[in-house]
Amino acid sequence: KNQVEQSPQSLIILEGKNCTLQCNYTVSPFSNLRWYKQDTGRGPVSLTIMTFSENTKSNGRYTATLDADTKQSSLHITASQLSDSASYICVVSAQAGTALIFGKGTTLSVSS
Amino acid sequence: GAVVSQHPSRVICKSGTSVKIECRSLDFQATTMFWYRQFPKKSLMLMATSNEGSKATYEQGVEKDKFLINHASLTLSTLTVTSAHPEDSSFYICSARDLHGNTEAFFGQGTRLTVV
Repeated sequence: KNQVEQSPQSLIILEGKNCTLQCNYTVSPFSNLRWYKQDTGRGPVSLTIMTFSENTKSNGRYTATLDADTKQSSLHITASQLSDSASYICVVSAQAGTALIFGKGTTLSVSS
Repeated sequence: GAVVSQHPSRVICKSGTSVKIECRSLDFQATTMFWYRQFPKKSLMLMATSNEGSKATYEQGVEKDKFLINHASLTLSTLTVTSAHPEDSSFYICSARDLHGNTEAFFGQGTRLTVV
């Protein structure tokens, strides 16, 4: 069964600190993995997208990694800001053109 | 970057009425659009896949007569919640993929529906 599991479910950190969010998947065949940021009451916004051959991809203070062998991905946030408070969703595509498989998300709260 | 516009962002309606939500791809053509529903603190749940020029494909448990989907052009899909009830209150989000199908999905801003 195709599944995407994220951890932790929620996380609270102080402003300026770094954090890492985890995503494990059992989706097969694998096409790509995406990380989205979703602010409360808003639609998800893409942070990164990685295919099978990509190990690391950065977008500003966000760095995603992918290990296709172990089927794990991480999203590292550097020097967190209050505006980083949001839900971060890991999404895996089984193959091109098919529906996306969503993780339940990690809710990040950055406090001052 | 590509933009998907969803309208309205918020709507309040009375029980028994119907509400239409629009999803537009502004700068690309989308043969496929997806409609999601999201409950508070929960992940997005796929409701249906909207294909331009053909009938939508609904996920198991989603009533097609309740949630009418029309995808009449390559840039517009609509979701109509018919005879709305308070339990239909939720956050509805659409996403669209371009013609290539294997690039990132672009999401609309979401629509908060409240049925009173």
